[in-house]
Amino acid sequence: QKEVEQNSGPLSVPEGAIASLNCTYSDRGSQSFFWYRQYSGKSPELIMSIYSNGDKEDGRFTAQLNKASQYVSLLIRDSQPSDSATYLCAVNPGYGGSQGNLIFGKGTKLSVKP
Amino acid sequence: EPEVTQTPSHQVTQMGQEVILRCVPISNHLYFYWYRQILGQKVEFLVSFYNNEISEKSEIFDDQFSVERPDGSNFTLKIRSTKLEDSAMYFCVSSDGRGGTDTQYFGPGTRLTVL
Repeated sequence: QKEVEQNSGPLSVPEGAIASLNCTYSDRGSQSFFWYRQYSGKSPELIMSIYSNGDKEDGRFTAQLNKASQYVSLLIRDSQPSDSATYLCAVNPGYGGSQGNLIFGKGTKLSVKP
Repeated sequence: EPEVTQTPSHQVTQMGQEVILRCVPISNHLYFYWYRQILGQKVEFLVSFYNNEISEKSEIFDDQFSVERPDGSNFTLKIRSTKLEDSAMYFCVSSDGRGGTDTQYFGPGTRLTVL
């Protein structure tokens, strides 16, 4: 059974701080990794994708991947109250190509306090 | 910005009835998916569709479910004989399938309530 695990939180950080979200996955052969943001009652919104070991930065967001440890993380710098949402980690166990069958974690609820 | 659209936004049905959930993917995308999310639970993959046929399906996607792309633009999910446990948000996802730099989009979802 392929699993994606996340700490459900809630994770509470003050405005302007760095929020750190973590995810582990069970399928060692997984190739593609994604972070989605989901506001309550809304659909998931893709914020980062990462395919190779190391860091990938996009604005205030940095995704980190360590395939040896089967670990993915998301850092949000200068957190804003508007970042308050549930962050979903998703893994594509297949190789390259279309994302196909994504396996999602349950999500970590982030709360950014003004 | 291109977007996936879904109709209806909310569907209420009686147990045992059939429902059809509709989606209009991004026009030049090639890969289409349905996912569902039961309230408070994980987003779960149901089915993927490429080149007018199912390419992969999960254990959830049994004979009760079917998908089709009847006119080259709409993408539908049909649920026959709905059950209480089918109550969930159903998301249509559209992908350009370019690999590596793949970009995909979730639609806003259809909330299905089975009474």
